[in-house]
Amino acid sequence: QQPVQSPQAVILREGEDAVINCSSSKALYSVHWYRQKHGEAPVFLMILLKGGEQKGHEKISASFNEKKQQSSLYLTASQLSYSGTYFCGIAISGGYQKVTFGIGTKLQVIP
Amino acid sequence: DAGVIQSPRHEVTEMGQEVTLRCKPISGHDYLFWYRQTMMRGLELLIYFNNNVPIDDSGMPEDRFSAKMPNASFSTLKIQPSEPRDSAVYFCASSPPGQGGRQPQHFGDGTRLSIL
Repeated sequence: QQPVQSPQAVILREGEDAVINCSSSKALYSVHWYRQKHGEAPVFLMILLKGGEQKGHEKISASFNEKKQQSSLYLTASQLSYSGTYFCGIAISGGYQKVTFGIGTKLQVIP
Repeated sequence: DAGVIQSPRHEVTEMGQEVTLRCKPISGHDYLFWYRQTMMRGLELLIYFNNNVPIDDSGMPEDRFSAKMPNASFSTLKIQPSEPRDSAVYFCASSPPGQGGRQPQHFGDGTRLSIL
């Protein structure tokens, strides 16, 4: 039930864009995105609840395609501070708060 | 506001010893989650509670692991006996009341556990 994230790792230069994908084998109720810097706790970025919904956080936005059971995280004009591991988490039910996380995508932004 | 508080931050112990990890959730949050993080498996959900009641413990690896939540402000995760393969970072997280799947989770700083 663990979502599949791609790519597993990416290196960007400052100012470049990146897309991280998250796909599920099960129908999704919601998709969560978190970022974790090395040695720190994961930090919440956003939740997407509806098919086709897009949300934004600074220059980071995401989309949720309910039919395809997938979500994508878009990082535009990347900054050094965007470096970290990005996790998507999926909820397949609205009954409880259970979220299953993917392995993560390691993003490194270099000058 | 205080975030999720975990203790200890680091624990090094020998195989066979009992390990107890502690967590204080954010006041007012009614969900509490225990996760284990490793390079190979990422963030694995071990168990979660709602209003102090365990809802899903299907992620607990085996009988050596147990978790309790005696009240709304405290939870423990215990490993007895510990084994080297239990070495990982253990996170506690809490989330506020609300419709399932819609609430963000707030993570503690984690406990880095090393079993020698």
